[in-house]
Amino acid sequence: QKEVEQNSGPLSVPEGAIASLNCTYSDRGSQSFFWYRQYSGKSPELIMFIYSNGDKEDGRFTAQLNKASQYVSLLIRDSQPSDSATYLCAVKGDYKLSFGAGTTVTVRA
Amino acid sequence: GAVVSQHPSWVICKSGTSVKIECRSLDFQATTMFWYRQFPKQSLMLMATSNEGSKATYEQGVEKDKFLINHASLTLSTLTVTSAHPEDSSFYICSARVMTEQFFGPGTRLTVL
Repeated sequence: QKEVEQNSGPLSVPEGAIASLNCTYSDRGSQSFFWYRQYSGKSPELIMFIYSNGDKEDGRFTAQLNKASQYVSLLIRDSQPSDSATYLCAVKGDYKLSFGAGTTVTVRA
Repeated sequence: GAVVSQHPSWVICKSGTSVKIECRSLDFQATTMFWYRQFPKQSLMLMATSNEGSKATYEQGVEKDKFLINHASLTLSTLTVTSAHPEDSSFYICSARVMTEQFFGPGTRLTVL
């Protein structure tokens, strides 16, 4: 079982719609959860982090965490073509970040 | 956010040669830096954790004699790929930890012919 699992996609959404990304993790002791965006050929950039159960909103992005279900999600509202990228879920264990394989999102104009 | 730079951004080398990649924290001091490798369509895989003034900690399956890491100062860590082979061709990314967040360098694309 992989430590962090994501649907690889691609996830195609029309401009202005909501993109919903899901991530599950295996280490129940994980405390910190991150979403990174990675454009093709570039390195990841941090979008959001979340530590507590519930929702956390930042602009058009909302992260949701459910530790009991070992599940974290990212919602992108009012999706824009510039949001087209691969989104990486990362979970912090004792000392390192473990990354999922990423979900590729394509926003259709 | 904190800025991390890498040099070079891309490099092409012949099989059997060594390549050095530099990772610098530009506006902060980083006691811990991380080196990742990413193959096409795959996720980032942690290779090693680099600690200033001490030996790096390598992940299981990563050859420490092949991937030499030096973290001689609080702003610079280097990764040297020794005797590179085509299978070492990949995207190498460093990152530095600031408090609880990790910031990534722009990456170095290595192609070994």
